[in-house]
Amino acid sequence: KQEVTQIPAALSVPEGENLVLNCSFTDSAIYNLQWFRQDPGKGLTSLLLIQSSQREQTSGRLNASLDKSSGRSTLYIAASQPGDSATYLCAVETGANSKLTFGKGITLSVRP
Amino acid sequence: DGGITQSPKYLFRKEGQNVTLSCEQNLNHDAMYWYRQDPGQGLRLIYYSQIVNDFQKGDIAEGYSVSREKKESFPLTVTSAQKNPTAFYLCASSTQRGAKNIQYFGAGTRLSVL
Repeated sequence: KQEVTQIPAALSVPEGENLVLNCSFTDSAIYNLQWFRQDPGKGLTSLLLIQSSQREQTSGRLNASLDKSSGRSTLYIAASQPGDSATYLCAVETGANSKLTFGKGITLSVRP
Repeated sequence: DGGITQSPKYLFRKEGQNVTLSCEQNLNHDAMYWYRQDPGQGLRLIYYSQIVNDFQKGDIAEGYSVSREKKESFPLTVTSAQKNPTAFYLCASSTQRGAKNIQYFGAGTRLSVL
């Protein structure tokens, strides 16, 4: 059974800092890995999707990498801003039927 | 605007009552999903549907039911058999399976028990 782990559960950093959020998964036979952002009381917004054949994806100040063999992904946020404060969840798609398995998320707080 | 609409935003259930959460999408997506989120937890899959008139149980289907009579709509009923229904419920849809299956989410419904 696929399990996705995100540690730590919460992170607080000063504005301007570059930071890395980690995600690990137990079954390397994945179709893709996604990073989502969730603001309090809201739905999820897809940030980046890395297909299993790719090693990284970039969007603006965000860069996500994938190492399938070691079961790890990282989300790099450059020059963090208070507006980046949110919960970041990673999810992997494995097996049939397009099902996603989610981690519990990392709650990020960027202090002005 | 294209997107996924969930209603209501807040819902209260009395003991022994069934309640239905609405999810509508105008993205022309084939697949739709229902997730439950508890505080400090990731999302857990309740039910999903890849095509009209077909749906499958997810990891925590007990106490829930769904229907998929139209491509645009995937309502979730929380039955009286669900003993701990208080949670944040999220609906999602996607258009492709496999390598590039991006799921798009609604804003969620928060269900509480009176």
